[in-house]
Amino acid sequence: SQQGEEDPQALSIQEGENATMNCSYKTSINNLQWYRQNSGRGLVHLILIRSNEREKHSGRLRVTLDTSKKSSSLLITASRAADTASYFCATDMEYGNKLVFGAGTILRVKS
Amino acid sequence: DVKVTQSSRYLVKRTGEKVFLECVQDMDHENMFWYRQDPGLGLRLIYFSYDVKMKEKGDIPEGYSVSREKKERFSLILESASTNQTSMYLCASSLSMTYEAFFGQGTRLTVV
Repeated sequence: SQQGEEDPQALSIQEGENATMNCSYKTSINNLQWYRQNSGRGLVHLILIRSNEREKHSGRLRVTLDTSKKSSSLLITASRAADTASYFCATDMEYGNKLVFGAGTILRVKS
Repeated sequence: DVKVTQSSRYLVKRTGEKVFLECVQDMDHENMFWYRQDPGLGLRLIYFSYDVKMKEKGDIPEGYSVSREKKERFSLILESASTNQTSMYLCASSLSMTYEAFFGQGTRLTVV
């Protein structure tokens, strides 16, 4: 079964707007990661946040983690058409070596 | 530049064939993974390996096996391909669970 579940499944916004995607997971984790996938390609790592961190920034990306609610959010500010992609969260189990992905959010940024 | 290379980008195989998907990484990573990706289902873990000759089942191992004889190479084997194994297959590697995973470009397998 999948550990992470993204919400919404799909998101369509105008260029310049902010995009927020959420991820919920079921078991305790060591860290949570976000990845991007352009159509038909492999995944590219965006950001990793550890279980003892609450917020992390990387350029236009802001990630938050709430371990009490077992949830994370990815905010992309001032979106661009090039941000159009699928976004996945991935978690490792607190015990074990598995890296488990959610079903993803499809983001479309209209220019 | 770090690299994970999958042997084929597109593959068409017949039902019942034995299929080998190869993945090679050049980063001396301990962990390697095989996922399949289907629309609406995201990435599902088939098998992973945390060391040479070590492997563990993921969430959907049925119909698949793996081989890791050398640290840099992780092979996924479809023992007898079936049409429900038509999918995108993604290989990844990571130094450890506390580091990012690097993905190959994916193999789109069609079983006819």
